[in-house]
Amino acid sequence: DSGVTQTPKHLITATGQRVTLRCSPRSGDLSVYWYQQSLDQGLQFLIQYYNGEERAKGNILERFSAQQFPDLHSELNLSSLELGDSALYFCASSPLLGAGGYTFGSGTRLTVV
Amino acid sequence: TQLLEQSPQFLSIQEGENLTVYCNSSSVFSSLQWYRQEPGEGPVLLVTVVTGGEVKKLKRLTFQFGDARKDSSLHITAAQPGDTGLYLCAGYYSGYSTLTFGKGTMLLVSP
Repeated sequence: DSGVTQTPKHLITATGQRVTLRCSPRSGDLSVYWYQQSLDQGLQFLIQYYNGEERAKGNILERFSAQQFPDLHSELNLSSLELGDSALYFCASSPLLGAGGYTFGSGTRLTVV
Repeated sequence: TQLLEQSPQFLSIQEGENLTVYCNSSSVFSSLQWYRQEPGEGPVLLVTVVTGGEVKKLKRLTFQFGDARKDSSLHITAAQPGDTGLYLCAGYYSGYSTLTFGKGTMLLVSP
């Protein structure tokens, strides 16, 4: 157990639907990151939050949004889902900003049918 | 946009063989990390290197950071099936608050 908890582990949904992925960071970590991983693109950075504030954005689509709550857990919302959104979504956390290693969760496997 | 390249993309070897995988960038890293990811799991941090020329060892794994801090290598001695996985390098570039990940080297070690 890495200390980063992601739910659900698997999700199957239809095109056009909306889903919410949840992440609880490791205790004491203030920074949360969301990544999308597919076979051809590797780990793609989506967005970073630090202590409740958005700090960096990567290749995140406008259909996707995220937030970090006062208790530091984070949610990634994916809407108007397309077949191409099928991927593994990882959350990671770290104690610092701009330094140190990441602790990853086990991921959510999203399948859009 | 910073580009971080890893090679080879895929490596299939027999148990007991040695191997080296590489990570290269056109820009200088503030620090660099190596992760291993097993199927169905998230990446796990193996090592962080900070100083140019630095060498770190983790059992049969040897990590080297280039003198100019633009490249790194991971050498595995006497590979075992348990070493199978995706090896990712990731670096911090000056002025960026997030790690940039390479696409990884997929290593398959057969008994």
